[in-house]
Amino acid sequence: KAGVTQTPRYLIKTRGQQVTLSCSPISGHRSVSWYQQTPGQGLQFLFEYFSETQRNKGNFPGRFSGRQFSNSRSEMNVSTLELGDSALYLCASSQGQGQETQYFGPGTRLLVL
Amino acid sequence: QKEVEQDPGPLSVPEGAIVSLNCTYSNSAFQYFMWYRQYSRKGPELLMYTYSSGNKEDGRFTAQVDKSSKYISLFIRDSQPSDSATYLCAMIEETDKLIFGTGTRLQVFP
Repeated sequence: KAGVTQTPRYLIKTRGQQVTLSCSPISGHRSVSWYQQTPGQGLQFLFEYFSETQRNKGNFPGRFSGRQFSNSRSEMNVSTLELGDSALYLCASSQGQGQETQYFGPGTRLLVL
Repeated sequence: QKEVEQDPGPLSVPEGAIVSLNCTYSNSAFQYFMWYRQYSRKGPELLMYTYSSGNKEDGRFTAQVDKSSKYISLFIRDSQPSDSATYLCAMIEETDKLIFGTGTRLQVFP
């Protein structure tokens, strides 16, 4: 089975712009979660989608949003980018709603200038 | 105080050594405990997960959970240079969110 794929792998944006990141889960997986990873804060949970519904949300501002499509693919959007949004954004998928067996993609590295 | 504490390292050991990686946590409601390995410029890779207190073994890896002390460990036997990576512990809380430790960087030198 192909693993979790994320596009693009690298992105450079400027402050104030918006960005959309894409995630394709492992075939058959219905749950997709998004995380932000930075050297200072480590891995932080953004949100989780299951069957097109947001099931859980972390403590991030409303500038961070996401959605899931009927084929389980997911996108996350960050509007009005700030310098502090520079991070590795990771997507993880799991078959059901359990978080204990998530499989991560390679991430999208976002640099905000 | 963070919910999950993990020594950032780096931990440097010779090839063949037994490695012990540890995390402590404060929330007694944590139910599932995971260990992930992350190579540079890659996403985390799930190594093991456990539910209850006790030991779980998988090849050279042993995960240990002590709920009474709020302490989890990952042991790596016969460590190899290919084990050099960052190891992240993670736990699931009652709201089903995954909380990660900050990771311990491990270097195994030949």
